[in-house]
This record gives sequence, C-alpha cells and structure tokens, in this order.
Amino acid sequence: DIQMTQSPSSLSASVGDRVTITCRASQGISNYLAWFQHKPGKAPKSLIYAASSLQGGVPSKFSGSGSGTDFTLTISSLQPEDFATYYCQQYKSYPWTFGQGTKVEIK
Amino acid sequence: EVQLVESGGALVQPGGSLRLSCAASRFTFSTYWMSWVRQAPGKGLEWVANIKQDGSEKYYLDSVKGRFTISRDNAKNSLYLQMNSLRAEDTAVYYCARGIDSDCWGQGTLVTVSS
Repeated sequence: DIQMTQSPSSLSASVGDRVTITCRASQGISNYLAWFQHKPGKAPKSLIYAASSLQGGVPSKFSGSGSGTDFTLTISSLQPEDFATYYCQQYKSYPWTFGQGTKVEIK
Repeated sequence: EVQLVESGGALVQPGGSLRLSCAASRFTFSTYWMSWVRQAPGKGLEWVANIKQDGSEKYYLDSVKGRFTISRDNAKNSLYLQMNSLRAEDTAVYYCARGIDSDCWGQGTLVTVSS
C-alpha cells in the first residue's frame, strides 16, 4: 500500500497568514493526488485534484503543487472559514489512501 | 446543485449486518465512478470501496474484503454498501463520494457497532 504522510499534523495560524501543508507519498504517484477540507459534522469538500487543478467553485487562494512523491497545499491568505482539517489522498493505486490530516487552528 | 444523501446507518451488534444507501441527484449518476469513505471517531478519512460506472469493476479495502459489498442501481440513481459480519472497528461515519477525484461528498451516515 502507498503511505501518505502529511506535515505538520497541526498548526496554529492567524487570519491573513500564508499556510503550506506538505504531503509525501511512499512511492511515486505521478499527479494522482487530491486535497480535501473537512469540518466537524460536515461533508468533506474537494479542493484540488490532479495535484494542482482547482475544483470548480473553490477560491483561488487555494493552490496545489507537486508530482511524484512530494506535494503541497497552500492557502495564500487564511480566513476564518478556512480553519478545518485538511487531507491529501492518492488515487494512483488501490487501496486509495489518505494522509493522517493537518488540523489548522486559530492562533 | 449536485446532491448525495446517505442513509441506513444504525446501531448494530457485532456480527450483524447493515445496508447503506446513497441517493444521487442533479447529475448523470451512471457516468461516474462512486466510492464509500469512512471516518472512525477521532480518526482520519479512510477509503472503503469503489465501483465503476457500469458495476463491472469493484475495489475494496483489505479489511472489508469478503464482508462488505458495493453495488449500484443506475436506474434508481443509487449506490449501496452491504456490510456483513460487522466489527467494532467498523464504527464510523460513512460517506459516499462522486468520481475518481471524489469531487462531491454526502453528509454521511453513522454506523455504530456495539453490544
């Protein structure tokens, strides 16, 4: 199985901060990587697919980059509605696997 | 707006069975892969299974193989997950998701396996 490792596991940031979350795959996955935002009690929301493509309706403050084994999600200017847990997921091979999540909290 | 609504979650005893449903609307259901993903209490997201548009291909997480069966009825715009021989570790909120890139998710349905 492909292991996905996110860092950090949690972070504290202020409104307006630029935030970067990294995701590393245990083997190459090309660009078969997605990023999701999840808030408690809500449906997960897809942000990025194919490593860097923005899902429709997702604000451009979210961006993704990377290929192979190393990926990043960047939020250019953190807003109150962005405080949530973020997950990466590979869909290159089965079983699809998620990172452990990065909880973004208010400083 | 695309909509996915899960149902069927309940409290069930270990060894019991449950069938989850996911009703899809406002998109052409038959043209998308569909998946089930779960989140155990206090844990992260875990992919469970997915199914091709025509049901000809199905893939499962190892820990549910032989116990869970994913299926779909394109005429009813519905996705299903038959869960047998349930274990305490299957306790989770179960979500259905659309497409290979999981671009749309339902709100989830809670399955609790406990005596």
